[in-house]
Amino acid sequence: AQSVSQHNHHVILSEAASLELGCNYSYGGTVNLFWYVQYPGQHLQLLLKYFSGDPLVKGIKGFEAEFIKSKFSFNLRKPSVQWSDTAEYFCAVNVYNQGGKLIFGQGTELSVKP
Amino acid sequence: GAVVSQHPSRVICKSGTSVKIECRSLDFQATTMFWYRQFPKQSLMLMATSNEGSKATYEQGVEKDKFLINHASLTLSTLTVTSAHPEDSSFYICSASLQGNSPLHFGNGTRLTVT
Repeated sequence: AQSVSQHNHHVILSEAASLELGCNYSYGGTVNLFWYVQYPGQHLQLLLKYFSGDPLVKGIKGFEAEFIKSKFSFNLRKPSVQWSDTAEYFCAVNVYNQGGKLIFGQGTELSVKP
Repeated sequence: GAVVSQHPSRVICKSGTSVKIECRSLDFQATTMFWYRQFPKQSLMLMATSNEGSKATYEQGVEKDKFLINHASLTLSTLTVTSAHPEDSSFYICSASLQGNSPLHFGNGTRLTVT
């Protein structure tokens, strides 16, 4: 069965620090990849997605992610975090031709200290 | 943009009663909607795929007789938690997509507390 693994459960950073959150998936076929963010008390929002083409994708709020097919990875990055980036981040995988069904990672809680 | 509305946002019920949660796509038609469950400090787990006009497809380990799903129209899917127990207390989230593999849009979720 497909699975998604996020290595960091809780990350604590100071403002202006750089961020990288790891995401690996297990599936050998074609996948679509997503990062979602859930701010405290709010619903999930799409940060960015990868379907095909340039493996380096840019999303909202200065986030980007790189798809490395050989490593089955889709790590999320941001050069300089802000206090407002404090949230839960979820990586998700959609297996091509399985409709909109998403498999989520465990989530990473990011706390940014002002 | 596409909006998915979920109602109610919070519900408290007593053990043994049933609770219905609605999920509506407000500005698009969704032939497929998904129901997820999120326990505190955990990720979202797909419960079932709701298909308009046909039976829902449940994930392994999800009791279909307990979590009844109805997708009677292209804009509405309902999840009914029957004979609720305290362990059913959780955050239930629905989602829908415009087509095939397009990004999912999520509802705001329903916090269910069973006393």
